[in-house]
Amino acid sequence: AQSVTQLDSQVPVFEEAPVELRCNYSSSVSVYLFWYVQYPNQGLQLLLKYLSGSTLVKGINGFEAEFNKSQTSFHLRKPSVHISDTAEYFCAVSGTGANNLFFGTGTRLTVIP
Amino acid sequence: DAGITQSPRHKVTETGTPVTLRCHQTENHRYMYWYRQDPGHGLRLIHYSYGVKDTDKGEVSDGYSVSRSKTEDFLLTLESATSSQTSVYFCAISEDRPTYEQYFGPGTRLTVT
Repeated sequence: AQSVTQLDSQVPVFEEAPVELRCNYSSSVSVYLFWYVQYPNQGLQLLLKYLSGSTLVKGINGFEAEFNKSQTSFHLRKPSVHISDTAEYFCAVSGTGANNLFFGTGTRLTVIP
Repeated sequence: DAGITQSPRHKVTETGTPVTLRCHQTENHRYMYWYRQDPGHGLRLIHYSYGVKDTDKGEVSDGYSVSRSKTEDFLLTLESATSSQTSVYFCAISEDRPTYEQYFGPGTRLTVT
């Protein structure tokens, strides 16, 4: 079975500062990894995904994440945040060949003007 | 945006009453999912479907049933609603590919009084 841990429930950061949202997973099989963003009163939108190949994955809105197999991590980064990045971010894992996504509990990013 | 609609978007109901939530897709995707979102828990899978009349249980299926009589519709039923089922419910869809990337609907906010 897979599981996901998002270590920070809330992350405040000033506008134009860099940010890192942490995600660790546990799995006994190869995995696919995802980051989703949820803006207030909306559904989840895919930011980026790791399936295979390059461990550095680039997504929408300037976000990127790095897959680290030895540390079982998939941290999300952005070099300079905007007010519009204020949202909740979810990390998710899926075992290859499986059709279930397991989600972390989410990290609420608040960008301070 | 993936063509996924959920109805109703908001509902208030009393304990003990039956409730049915509808998810409708226009993408002709094989897989459909129902999640609930609660603070501190992220998203948890209730049930999913891998084809017409083919469904399976997820992590938190007790008290819920589902049906899929057409590719485009996936219904979630609470036979006798309880206050613990107050939540935001999301429908998701995915293609029949190894990545199983999921696309989410806008959600239904259900309050059981």
